[in-house]
This record gives sequence, C-alpha cells and structure tokens, in this order.
Amino acid sequence: EVQLVESGGGLVQPGGSLRLSCAASGFTFSSYWMVWVRQTPGKGLVWVSRINSDASSIGYADSVKGRFTISRDNAKNTLHLQMNSLRAEDTAVYYCARLGLPYYYYYMDVWGNGTTVTVSS
Amino acid sequence: DIQMTQSPSSLSASVGVRIIITCRASQSINSFLNWYQQKPGKAPKLLINTASSLQSGVPSRFSGSGSGTDFTLTVSSLQPEDFATYYCQQGFSTPLTFGGGTKVEIK
Repeated sequence: EVQLVESGGGLVQPGGSLRLSCAASGFTFSSYWMVWVRQTPGKGLVWVSRINSDASSIGYADSVKGRFTISRDNAKNTLHLQMNSLRAEDTAVYYCARLGLPYYYYYMDVWGNGTTVTVSS
Repeated sequence: DIQMTQSPSSLSASVGVRIIITCRASQSINSFLNWYQQKPGKAPKLLINTASSLQSGVPSRFSGSGSGTDFTLTVSSLQPEDFATYYCQQGFSTPLTFGGGTKVEIK
C-alpha cells in the first residue's frame, strides 16, 4: 500500500523550532518529487515547499523562505521539514504529499494524514 | 503568484442532482489544473489532474473541463459520500496555489 505518515508536530513557543518527518512506503520514494502543504481554517491549503527526487532542486513559499528547510533521505524513504523561527501564523496542519508523474504537472496524488503544529506561548 | 478563485464558496444540494463548481485562474495556466476532495479531519484526495484526467479509482460521475483561465468540476449525480469540500490547484508554476474551496452540503 502506498503510504505517507507524518510525525514531529506539536506545541512550540514563538521563535522555536520543530522538525517534521514524513515516512514513505509502498513506492519507490527516490523516484518522486515531494512537497509540504499546510492548512489552516482561515487560509485553506497553502503550498510550503517542494524537493525534487535527488534533492538537487528545492523551492519554498515566500512566507517560509529563510526559516524552513526541506530535505530528504532516499536511503531511509523519509522527507523532512526543519522549521525555525516559528511564528503564530505557522500554526497549521502540515501534510506531506507526493507529486504524481510526470512531476511537471505538479499534482499531488498521495497525501499523508497530517501533523499539527501549534505555535503559541 | 497565480490567484485561484473558486465559486461558489458553498452550495447546498440534494442527492442525485448535478453540481458544477468553477475555478478561475488570474492568468492562463493551460491545462495545469487539479481538483481535490477533502472530508472533515482527513487529507485532501486527488480527483482530477491536468483539468480532465480522472484519477484511478475515482467514480466516473466526477469530470473536469476547461483550459486557460476557466475550469469546471462537475458531479453528474451527487451521492451521499460526495458531501465534502472541493479545492482546485494550479500546477502551472510555483508557488503552487489553491482555490479557497467549495463546501458541498446536504440540502
């Protein structure tokens, strides 16, 4: 079964850090581009970051650029999102998702169940 | 950034009726438009990619059309399990952007 499982969410104070992980199974992880998407009740779905199959090409939304870092470990079938200098507005459910093939159609065909990040003092 | 505008933001409909949800892009995105369904507490689920390509396993009552800036998602005969929120998303360029969603409720 193709599956993505996120972990690492939680409550953190403003200015703090969290590292999210996304464990992939059931498919050849190293062949796929991956993304992080977050969702808040007020702002809906927002794309956060993307990484290509070998981590040689990375992109970020302006709202997280310089604070978040996406990475992947193809040997461990795992995607990460390192989040630093967290702000209240980063509070959201964070999803990892797989980009379907070909990648340049940029559609997300497999999603994880999400992990909740709450930034609050 | 490309802005995606969905309408309506919500609709109330009965089982068996046809519904149409529209999505408009702020500039041409060719056919790089995807549709998702999301139920409460669950992750989004891909229904249609590249405007009209039905994802494997998605019922044929769902269809998508359009190109350029205007797109539609049609559900030909609404079923009880279709009550959910639907989102469009453009895949033409990063930052990838989503519409605000259309909540489909039972009438």
